[in-house]
Amino acid sequence: EVQLVESGGGFIEPGGSLRLSCAVSGLTFSSYSMNWVRQAPGKGLEWVSYISNGRGSEHYYADSVKGRFSIFRDNDRNSLYLQMNSLRDEDTAVYYCATGIDNWGQGTLVTVTS
Amino acid sequence: EIVLTQSPGTLSLSPGERATLSCRASQSFSSSYLAWFQQKPGQAPRLLIYGASVRATGIPDRFSGSGSGTDFTLTISRLEPEDFAVYYCQQYGSSPPFTFGPGTKVDIK
Repeated sequence: EVQLVESGGGFIEPGGSLRLSCAVSGLTFSSYSMNWVRQAPGKGLEWVSYISNGRGSEHYYADSVKGRFSIFRDNDRNSLYLQMNSLRDEDTAVYYCATGIDNWGQGTLVTVTS
Repeated sequence: EIVLTQSPGTLSLSPGERATLSCRASQSFSSSYLAWFQQKPGQAPRLLIYGASVRATGIPDRFSGSGSGTDFTLTISRLEPEDFAVYYCQQYGSSPPFTFGPGTKVDIK
C-alpha cells in the first residue's frame, strides 16, 4: 500500500521558517516526481512546488512562493521536504505532498500568525 | 501561465441525475496533462481522471472525462450519494505552474 505522511506543520510567526517533511512508502520513491500542493482554509487547491524524479535536478515553484520556499528530496530516506522561509499570513494552509498527481498524503496544517 | 476556469461554481442535483462539469483553459495545451480530482471535507484530493479521459485505478465507470485544446468536461452519469463533493481540474506536466481550477461544488438539491 502506498503511503505518504506529511509532518512539520504548526504555528509560526510571520517572517519565520518551517520545514515540512513527507515520508513515502510502498513504492520506489526515487522513480517518482513529487509535488507540494496547499489549500488555505475554505479555499481551493494551489500547486506550490515540483521536483523531478531521480536526483531531483528540476525544481519549479509557484510565483507566490518563489525565492522563499525550497523543495528537495532524500531518496535514501524516501522523503520529500519543503523548506519555507519568510513565512507570511497568506501561507496559512494545509500542505499536501503528492507523487506526481496520483497518490496524496493527508496534509499538515501550517498556521502563520502573530 | 495557463489559467483554468471551472463552471458552474455550484451544481445542485439529485441522486441519480447526470452531472456535467466544465473546465476551460486560457490557452490550449495537450490533453495528456489534464486531470480531475474529487475532494470531500477534511480529506485529501482523490485522483479521478488523468490524460483528460483515463480513469484512475478504482474509479467507477460512472465517471468519464473528455475534451481537448481548451475545453474539458467531467461527466458523472448517475450521481451516487458519495459523489457529492468538490471537483477540481488541473493541468500538469506540460509546463509549470501546474495550475488548478477554482473548483465546482456538487451538492444535493
